[in-house]
Amino acid sequence: SQELEQSPQSLIVQEGKNLTINCTSSKTLYGLYWYKQKYGEGLIFLMMLQKGGEEKSHEKITAKLDEKKQQSSLHITASQPSHAGIYLCGAAGNSGNTPLVFGKGTRLSVIA
Amino acid sequence: SAVISQKPSRDICQRGTSLTIQCQVDSQVTMMFWYRQQPGQSLTLIATANQGSEATYESGFVIDKFPISRPNLTFSTLTVSNMSPEDSSIYLCSVSSGYGYTFGSGTRLTVV
Repeated sequence: SQELEQSPQSLIVQEGKNLTINCTSSKTLYGLYWYKQKYGEGLIFLMMLQKGGEEKSHEKITAKLDEKKQQSSLHITASQPSHAGIYLCGAAGNSGNTPLVFGKGTRLSVIA
Repeated sequence: SAVISQKPSRDICQRGTSLTIQCQVDSQVTMMFWYRQQPGQSLTLIATANQGSEATYESGFVIDKFPISRPNLTFSTLTVSNMSPEDSSIYLCSVSSGYGYTFGSGTRLTVV
């Protein structure tokens, strides 16, 4: 079965600093999803990557999928307190009718 | 993308009782997925629910504890039976569509 390893497990950064979260898969990724979760709340969809080498950006968040489609990174530029939360990567199977498998998450705190 | 209405959003229940969580989707979907998120943990798949057939449960989850109904292509329920404090978690439903994966807003369950 597919496993996702996220690193780091937790991160504390000063406001305005950049940061990167990594997600490494044990198998080829057919689709890689990034979500953000505020503590105790539901998931907020950030981005989805499918093609090797693909890169997407939204506001100050950029996600990349490597050429071999086994690793993804999420980069936040000039972090703000609103970026705090848990970031989860989820892997899709090669069929749309399979559930996402999630990494263990990265807990991000942004301090003033 | 699909929109999911999940109810209740939170509940506090006595041990030994049962709680039924509902998810209503605004479009017809083949598969619905149920997840559990224990405190401080990532999402773990409980089962996959296909309309017209019994749900498929993941290792560690059984039908007697987490019975699932899927009466039509837009609705599903998950019941947490004979609850104990260890069942305190966030429970989420999810569907996949042509636009990716959508999640309900979650049910935060506290068992006392």
